[in-house]
Amino acid sequence: AQKVTQAQTEISVVEKEDVTLDCVYETRDTTYYLFWYKQPPSGELVFLIRRNSFDEQNEISGRYSWNFQKSTSSFNFTITASQVVDSAVYFCALSRNNNDMRFGAGTRLTVKP
Amino acid sequence: DTEVTQTPKHLVMGMTNKKSLKCEQHMGHRAMYWYKQKAKKPPELMFVYSYEKLSINESVPSRFSPECPNSSLLNLHLHALQPEDSALYLCASSQEYGLGGSMNIQYFGAGTRLSVL
Repeated sequence: AQKVTQAQTEISVVEKEDVTLDCVYETRDTTYYLFWYKQPPSGELVFLIRRNSFDEQNEISGRYSWNFQKSTSSFNFTITASQVVDSAVYFCALSRNNNDMRFGAGTRLTVKP
Repeated sequence: DTEVTQTPKHLVMGMTNKKSLKCEQHMGHRAMYWYKQKAKKPPELMFVYSYEKLSINESVPSRFSPECPNSSLLNLHLHALQPEDSALYLCASSQEYGLGGSMNIQYFGAGTRLSVL
Protein backbone atom coordinates (compact mmCIF):
# COMPACT_ATOMS: atom_id res chain seq x y z
CA ALA A 1 0.00 0.00 0.00
CA GLN A 2 1.14 3.52 -0.68
CA LYS A 3 0.73 6.29 1.82
CA VAL A 4 2.00 9.84 2.26
CA THR A 5 1.88 11.57 5.62
CA GLN A 6 2.22 15.29 6.08
CA ALA A 7 1.85 15.59 9.81
CA GLN A 8 1.91 19.39 9.86
CA THR A 9 -1.57 20.62 9.02
CA GLU A 10 -0.76 24.32 9.33
CA ILE A 11 2.42 26.29 9.86
CA SER A 12 2.68 30.01 10.46
CA VAL A 13 5.98 31.89 10.27
CA VAL A 14 7.11 35.47 10.03
CA GLU A 15 8.77 36.65 6.85
CA LYS A 16 12.48 35.80 6.52
CA GLU A 17 12.20 32.80 8.82
CA ASP A 18 13.27 29.41 7.50
CA VAL A 19 10.59 26.72 7.49
CA THR A 20 10.67 22.97 6.86
CA LEU A 21 7.68 21.00 5.64
CA ASP A 22 7.80 17.31 6.52
CA CYS A 23 6.79 14.43 4.29
CA VAL A 24 6.95 10.75 5.24
CA TYR A 25 5.96 8.06 2.79
CA GLU A 26 5.25 4.34 2.74
CA THR A 27 5.62 2.05 -0.24
CA ARG A 28 6.71 -1.49 -1.02
CA ASP A 29 7.89 -0.58 -4.49
CA THR A 30 11.59 -0.29 -5.23
CA THR A 31 10.96 2.19 -8.04
CA TYR A 32 8.86 5.17 -7.14
CA TYR A 33 8.72 8.94 -7.51
CA LEU A 34 8.21 11.69 -5.00
CA PHE A 35 6.84 15.12 -5.77
CA TRP A 36 6.16 18.45 -4.16
CA TYR A 37 3.42 20.72 -5.45
CA LYS A 38 2.42 24.21 -4.32
CA GLN A 39 -1.23 25.29 -4.37
CA PRO A 40 -1.71 29.04 -3.93
CA PRO A 41 -5.18 30.46 -3.26
CA SER A 42 -5.77 30.66 -7.02
CA GLY A 43 -6.13 26.88 -7.02
CA GLU A 44 -3.56 25.71 -9.54
CA LEU A 45 -1.13 23.05 -8.38
CA VAL A 46 2.33 24.19 -9.31
CA PHE A 47 4.94 21.50 -9.81
CA LEU A 48 8.07 22.13 -7.73
CA ILE A 49 10.20 18.99 -7.83
CA ARG A 50 10.27 15.29 -8.71
CA ARG A 51 12.70 12.77 -7.26
CA ASN A 52 13.04 9.10 -8.18
CA SER A 53 13.81 6.43 -5.63
CA PHE A 54 17.34 5.88 -6.95
CA ASP A 55 18.43 9.47 -6.58
CA GLU A 56 18.98 10.49 -2.99
CA GLN A 57 20.91 13.59 -3.86
CA ASN A 58 19.54 16.64 -2.11
CA GLU A 59 18.54 19.52 -4.31
CA ILE A 60 18.60 23.27 -3.94
CA SER A 61 16.72 25.69 -6.15
CA GLY A 62 17.06 29.27 -5.01
CA ARG A 63 15.42 29.53 -1.59
CA TYR A 64 13.98 26.01 -1.87
CA SER A 65 15.79 22.84 -0.87
CA TRP A 66 14.75 19.22 -0.55
CA ASN A 67 16.17 16.47 1.65
CA PHE A 68 15.40 12.93 0.48
CA GLN A 69 16.32 10.15 2.93
CA LYS A 70 15.31 6.60 2.05
CA SER A 71 16.49 5.35 5.43
CA THR A 72 13.73 7.32 7.14
CA SER A 73 11.31 7.35 4.15
CA SER A 74 11.23 11.11 4.22
CA PHE A 75 11.29 13.82 1.60
CA ASN A 76 11.34 17.13 3.45
CA PHE A 77 11.10 20.57 1.91
CA THR A 78 12.79 23.66 3.33
CA ILE A 79 12.11 27.26 2.38
CA THR A 80 14.89 29.60 3.40
CA ALA A 81 14.14 33.25 4.17
CA SER A 82 10.42 32.79 3.61
CA GLN A 83 8.37 35.45 1.84
CA VAL A 84 4.67 36.32 1.91
CA VAL A 85 4.34 34.93 -1.62
CA ASP A 86 5.29 31.50 -0.26
CA SER A 87 1.93 31.35 1.52
CA ALA A 88 0.11 28.37 0.03
CA VAL A 89 -0.84 24.77 0.64
CA TYR A 90 2.03 22.42 -0.14
CA PHE A 91 1.39 18.83 -1.14
CA CYS A 92 3.85 15.97 -1.10
CA ALA A 93 2.93 13.10 -3.44
CA LEU A 94 4.11 9.59 -4.26
CA SER A 95 3.69 7.67 -7.48
CA ARG A 96 4.76 4.40 -8.94
CA ASN A 97 5.67 3.94 -12.55
CA ASN A 98 2.05 4.11 -13.58
CA ASN A 99 1.69 7.81 -12.77
CA ASP A 100 -1.09 7.29 -10.21
CA MET A 101 -0.22 9.91 -7.63
CA ARG A 102 -1.07 9.56 -3.98
CA PHE A 103 -1.13 12.97 -2.31
CA GLY A 104 -0.51 13.74 1.31
CA ALA A 105 -3.09 15.79 3.19
CA GLY A 106 -1.16 18.98 2.55
CA THR A 107 0.45 21.60 4.80
CA ARG A 108 -0.95 25.11 4.81
CA LEU A 109 1.90 27.59 5.15
CA THR A 110 1.16 31.16 6.16
CA VAL A 111 4.00 33.66 5.98
CA LYS A 112 3.21 36.88 7.82
CA PRO A 113 4.89 40.18 6.94
CA ASP B 1 5.35 26.30 -21.68
CA THR B 2 3.64 24.11 -19.11
CA GLU B 3 0.16 25.54 -19.39
CA VAL B 4 -3.08 23.69 -18.86
CA THR B 5 -6.13 25.88 -19.38
CA GLN B 6 -9.46 25.16 -17.74
CA THR B 7 -12.78 26.84 -18.40
CA PRO B 8 -14.90 28.08 -16.82
CA LYS B 9 -13.11 29.22 -13.67
CA HIS B 10 -16.35 29.20 -11.69
CA LEU B 11 -19.62 27.39 -12.29
CA VAL B 12 -22.88 27.40 -10.36
CA MET B 13 -25.48 24.85 -11.40
CA GLY B 14 -28.70 23.39 -10.18
CA MET B 15 -29.23 19.71 -9.64
CA THR B 16 -31.19 19.33 -12.86
CA ASN B 17 -28.75 21.21 -15.09
CA LYS B 18 -26.35 19.80 -17.65
CA LYS B 19 -23.00 21.53 -17.93
CA SER B 20 -19.50 20.77 -19.17
CA LEU B 21 -16.01 21.56 -17.94
CA LYS B 22 -13.27 22.02 -20.49
CA CYS B 23 -9.53 21.45 -20.30
CA GLU B 24 -6.94 22.20 -22.96
CA GLN B 25 -3.20 21.69 -23.27
CA HIS B 26 -0.83 22.32 -26.15
CA MET B 27 2.28 20.65 -24.78
CA GLY B 28 1.86 17.53 -26.92
CA HIS B 29 1.04 15.48 -23.84
CA ARG B 30 -0.75 12.17 -24.44
CA ALA B 31 -2.12 11.63 -20.93
CA MET B 32 -4.81 13.78 -19.33
CA TYR B 33 -6.41 13.56 -15.92
CA TRP B 34 -9.44 14.79 -13.98
CA TYR B 35 -9.17 15.30 -10.24
CA LYS B 36 -11.75 16.37 -7.67
CA GLN B 37 -10.63 18.41 -4.67
CA LYS B 38 -12.90 19.14 -1.74
CA ALA B 39 -12.08 22.03 0.58
CA LYS B 40 -9.02 21.42 2.74
CA LYS B 41 -8.43 18.01 1.19
CA PRO B 42 -5.90 16.73 -1.34
CA PRO B 43 -6.88 16.12 -4.96
CA GLU B 44 -8.50 12.76 -5.69
CA LEU B 45 -8.10 11.11 -9.06
CA MET B 46 -11.30 10.61 -11.07
CA PHE B 47 -10.28 9.67 -14.62
CA VAL B 48 -7.18 9.13 -16.73
CA TYR B 49 -7.06 9.29 -20.51
CA SER B 50 -4.09 7.92 -22.40
CA TYR B 51 -3.90 8.50 -26.15
CA GLU B 52 -7.54 9.63 -26.07
CA LYS B 53 -8.68 6.36 -24.51
CA LEU B 54 -10.08 6.07 -21.01
CA SER B 55 -7.50 4.17 -18.96
CA ILE B 56 -8.68 4.72 -15.42
CA ASN B 57 -12.12 5.37 -13.94
CA GLU B 58 -11.86 5.52 -10.18
CA SER B 59 -15.43 4.32 -9.57
CA VAL B 60 -16.84 7.75 -10.33
CA PRO B 61 -20.66 8.06 -10.44
CA SER B 62 -22.16 8.10 -13.93
CA ARG B 63 -23.41 11.67 -13.45
CA PHE B 64 -19.80 12.56 -14.35
CA SER B 65 -19.02 11.70 -17.95
CA PRO B 66 -15.54 12.36 -19.34
CA GLU B 67 -14.73 12.83 -23.00
CA CYS B 68 -11.45 13.24 -24.84
CA PRO B 69 -12.25 14.48 -28.37
CA ASN B 70 -8.58 14.84 -29.31
CA SER B 71 -5.16 14.77 -27.73
CA SER B 72 -5.35 18.41 -26.64
CA LEU B 73 -8.85 18.52 -25.20
CA LEU B 74 -10.53 16.93 -22.25
CA ASN B 75 -14.13 17.53 -21.22
CA LEU B 76 -16.10 16.58 -18.17
CA HIS B 77 -19.85 16.48 -18.74
CA LEU B 78 -21.99 17.00 -15.66
CA HIS B 79 -25.61 15.96 -15.26
CA ALA B 80 -27.93 15.64 -12.26
CA LEU B 81 -25.23 16.53 -9.77
CA GLN B 82 -25.71 16.60 -6.03
CA PRO B 83 -24.72 19.38 -3.62
CA GLU B 84 -21.92 17.14 -2.29
CA ASP B 85 -20.34 17.29 -5.75
CA SER B 86 -19.43 20.91 -5.10
CA ALA B 87 -15.64 21.05 -5.28
CA LEU B 88 -12.64 22.28 -7.24
CA TYR B 89 -12.21 20.18 -10.38
CA LEU B 90 -8.64 20.04 -11.58
CA CYS B 91 -7.33 18.90 -14.92
CA ALA B 92 -3.75 17.75 -15.42
CA SER B 93 -1.63 16.40 -18.25
CA SER B 94 1.63 14.50 -18.58
CA GLN B 95 3.74 13.37 -21.51
CA GLU B 96 2.75 9.74 -21.14
CA TYR B 97 0.82 7.49 -18.79
CA GLY B 98 2.29 4.35 -17.33
CA LEU B 99 5.92 5.24 -17.82
CA GLY B 100 8.39 6.66 -15.38
CA GLY B 101 11.06 9.28 -15.73
CA SER B 102 10.33 12.84 -16.64
CA MET B 103 7.29 11.70 -18.62
CA ASN B 104 5.22 11.23 -15.50
CA ILE B 105 5.30 14.79 -14.25
CA GLN B 106 1.73 16.04 -14.15
CA TYR B 107 1.04 19.69 -14.88
CA PHE B 108 -2.19 21.11 -13.53
CA GLY B 109 -4.65 23.77 -14.56
CA ALA B 110 -6.12 26.33 -12.17
CA GLY B 111 -9.33 24.34 -11.86
CA THR B 112 -13.05 25.00 -12.05
CA ARG B 113 -14.77 25.84 -8.78
CA LEU B 114 -18.14 24.14 -9.01
CA SER B 115 -21.10 24.88 -6.76
CA VAL B 116 -24.19 22.69 -7.00
CA LEU B 117 -27.32 24.24 -5.53
